[in-house]
Amino acid sequence: RKEVEQDPGPFNVPEGATVAFNCTYSNSASQSFFWYRQDCRKEPKLLMSVYSSGNEDGRFTAQLNRASQYISLLIRDSKLSDSATYLCVVTSFNDYKLSFGAGTTVTVRA
Amino acid sequence: EPEVTQTPSHQVTQMGQEVILRCVPISNHLYFYWYRQILGQKVEFLVSFYNNEISEKSEIFDDQFSVERPDGSNFTLKIRSTKLEDSAMYFCAPSLGGGYNYGYTFGSGTRLTVV
Repeated sequence: RKEVEQDPGPFNVPEGATVAFNCTYSNSASQSFFWYRQDCRKEPKLLMSVYSSGNEDGRFTAQLNRASQYISLLIRDSKLSDSATYLCVVTSFNDYKLSFGAGTTVTVRA
Repeated sequence: EPEVTQTPSHQVTQMGQEVILRCVPISNHLYFYWYRQILGQKVEFLVSFYNNEISEKSEIFDDQFSVERPDGSNFTLKIRSTKLEDSAMYFCAPSLGGGYNYGYTFGSGTRLTVV
């Protein structure tokens, strides 16, 4: 089983729509969770951390479900500029490295 | 604007040649990480470096790879004898702390093409 699994998509949505997708992780000792955004052939950029209570940053909402070992990202009122690949990232408490999912591609169309 | 500059942005090299990829952080980072991403695949951890020592490395990071902080500022990844399968984007990610609680800011990356 892969350490971090994501639905690759693509999710093709119109501007203004809401899009949501999940990521599952296999290591129950995982401690920190993040969503990164990556544009084509660019570096991953930290979008937001994911906290146990769930958190929001503008149009973006992240949720964590430790019992089922998944995290989610919801994008409201999609903009053209939201088109990107969204990377789910997980780390363990005593482990410095980040484990990446393969990414979920979102395309927002006019 | 990334906090970290990586050079070169793109390098083409012949198989068997040595390449050195450089990472120049702006602040006084203590931890350094290298990741790579083969085109169309996920980002993979290569190595972490702290206090002038490797603290962890992946299976990918074999004897062909080495890391250094030669002048206390630049952080380098060397591949001694490149193979075709080393073609990838290489990202440096310095961190002030352990990093795993805060997430990293990645450098802009070096695209390595081995021909």
